[in-house]
Amino acid sequence: EPEVTQTPSHQVTQMGQEVILRCVPISNHLYFYWYRQILGQKVEFLVSFYNNEISEKSEIFDDQFSVERPDGSNFTLKIRSTKLEDSAMYFCASSEGRNPNTEAFFGQGTRLTVV
Amino acid sequence: RKEVEQDPGPFNVPEGATVAFNCTYSNSASQSFFWYRQDCRKEPKLLMSVYSSGNEDGRFTAQLNRASQYISLLIRDSKLSDSATYLCVVTYDKVIFGPGTSLSVIP
Repeated sequence: EPEVTQTPSHQVTQMGQEVILRCVPISNHLYFYWYRQILGQKVEFLVSFYNNEISEKSEIFDDQFSVERPDGSNFTLKIRSTKLEDSAMYFCASSEGRNPNTEAFFGQGTRLTVV
Repeated sequence: RKEVEQDPGPFNVPEGATVAFNCTYSNSASQSFFWYRQDCRKEPKLLMSVYSSGNEDGRFTAQLNRASQYISLLIRDSKLSDSATYLCVVTYDKVIFGPGTSLSVIP
């Protein structure tokens, strides 16, 4: 069964450092998403990406965040200068059509710990 | 008012019990509705979409009441493997997850 894969599974970084979280969406999917979940809290939408550009973003997705699809397979989330409050599980998702109308498949997540 | 609210839980029920989860949403323009399941420290996975006419998938029944802006999920004959957090998801121009309701099915 095709799946969304994320690397690394766990990333520890020092405050102020840049991190890049990587995702390989399902190959025929066109829409890509990043979500985050702070421990014990709800899943929060960050950004959606279609046709090589951001289609929607939330208030959380400020200037320290960026996304990129550098080649035909990877979809990355960059956090430029990490803060302690960026510690969370980051989930990548992809869908064939525009979510919400089409099911989004989630990767297993990257746990980011900022120290 | 929060965009999507759910029963705070946790729900602790014996095997075989029937359990119902409720979800309310604030935006009347919401278009699509889903129930996701999230196991501890795992990614969310789609359980079922919710249609205006209501829909059933085995032991699971989902209902939508647009007038009351309310969604429900009913699990019949609950099993140990149903233990998880159930997330209500509502969409309009963005996807909003509810805070989730935790279910523990006890032997």
